[in-house]
Amino acid sequence: DADVTQTPRNRITKTGKRIMLECSQTKGHDRMYWYRQDPGLGLRLIYYSFDVKDINKGEISDGYSVSRQAQAKFSLSLESAIPNQTALYFCATSDGAGTGNEKLFFGSGTQLSVL
Amino acid sequence: GQNIDQPTEMTATEGAIVQINCTYQTSGFNGLFWYQQHAGEAPTFLSYNVLDGLEEKGRFSSFLSRSKGYSYLLLKELQMKDSASYLCAVRDGDYKLSFGAGTTVTVRA
Repeated sequence: DADVTQTPRNRITKTGKRIMLECSQTKGHDRMYWYRQDPGLGLRLIYYSFDVKDINKGEISDGYSVSRQAQAKFSLSLESAIPNQTALYFCATSDGAGTGNEKLFFGSGTQLSVL
Repeated sequence: GQNIDQPTEMTATEGAIVQINCTYQTSGFNGLFWYQQHAGEAPTFLSYNVLDGLEEKGRFSSFLSRSKGYSYLLLKELQMKDSASYLCAVRDGDYKLSFGAGTTVTVRA
């Protein structure tokens, strides 16, 4: 089983619909992140959480919200989806151990298309 | 915010060497990472530099010059499986990680 699991893998929806993307992890990491990836723009941080009660905005949080229900779960919501939110979404975790080499572990991604 | 620049595409022949450059501007610096991403897959960690110099790991090496805001990833003895996108990422003074747009490397036989 994957250490970082995202559901669904693919989703097509219509403008104005509410969408939730789920992420769960078995790595025991405290830190979790949501990124979106667009061609030519790279990965951009939407929201991140360093602990269950901690939520922080990234560089492109408008139009998104998150919930950290437990250490292992971090969900991303689009309250009213719009076409420019069509992208590949990645959840990631890190151990936050305080060492310099704190690398990210990514889920397999969710391809979201908003029509 | 951060400005991270890397070339969009590079092509090389199997067995050759390719060097992917990354330049950055950041408020504070707490490390530079390289990730590999095969088409349709998630990024995976390749290397980490926080001090100036070269870090070697098998066929892959990464170099950092903090004063120049410059790094490169060197891929030696290229194999077909090295065809992928390579992402440069910089961690700033607030420990937030930002990614460049990625360099797509195509290895030809």
